[in-house]
Amino acid sequence: QSVLTQPPSVSAAPRQKVTISCSGGSSNIENYSVSWYRQLPGTAPKVLIYDNDKRPSGIPDRFSGSKSGASATLDITGLQTGDEADYYCGSWDDSLRAVVFGGGTKLTVL
Amino acid sequence: EVQLVESGGGLVKPGGSLRLSCAASGLTFSDAWMSWVRQAPGKGLEWVGHVKSKADGGTTGYAAPVKGRFTISRDDSKRMLYLQMDSLRTEDTAVYYCTTDRADYGRWYYYYMDVWGKGTSVTVSS
Repeated sequence: QSVLTQPPSVSAAPRQKVTISCSGGSSNIENYSVSWYRQLPGTAPKVLIYDNDKRPSGIPDRFSGSKSGASATLDITGLQTGDEADYYCGSWDDSLRAVVFGGGTKLTVL
Repeated sequence: EVQLVESGGGLVKPGGSLRLSCAASGLTFSDAWMSWVRQAPGKGLEWVGHVKSKADGGTTGYAAPVKGRFTISRDDSKRMLYLQMDSLRTEDTAVYYCTTDRADYGRWYYYYMDVWGKGTSVTVSS
């Protein structure tokens, strides 16, 4: 059971928009920033978003993040078949003194 | 370009030990905070632990499931990160990733894994 809660799966058509949610609590998301990672099949994860809404260089602006209270969302617009992957949220947890992740969301582009 | 290359994975019996290594290049390793993150087959990501830079105290932190059994260390002169795993259990079976970490204060404190290695596979089985 993961500390952060994500939907197991989401799906949308090419060129559409999808939103992936991540919920936590006061020891993590509510008081700490959220990061998002994408893991393409058979590869290592890669950071998409850090500090709630910042993109590392090279990450297209189709990917955007936001946070409100103890929840965060990742939006992906202009979906492509190459976006099919597992997406994870992460945050620092002050009670556990640890980095915590969501259970992951599998994105299917129909 | 930052590159991380893990090695040392393999098959080990329950109760056994294994040491993983991570060779870093393309960064000022001595300034880097580093983590190990694992992923059991078909499962999600799980943070194992981290080590801060010596300038920031060089302290380590561990996830509860591995605390007291795993030890993270670093050799800045060799640009190497290590994970010593003792008293291994079947539930430690996973791909282990080495990462560089970023932590700082914006409006909130952020901590994230910036660069990931390709991982090394550990199987604990009799």
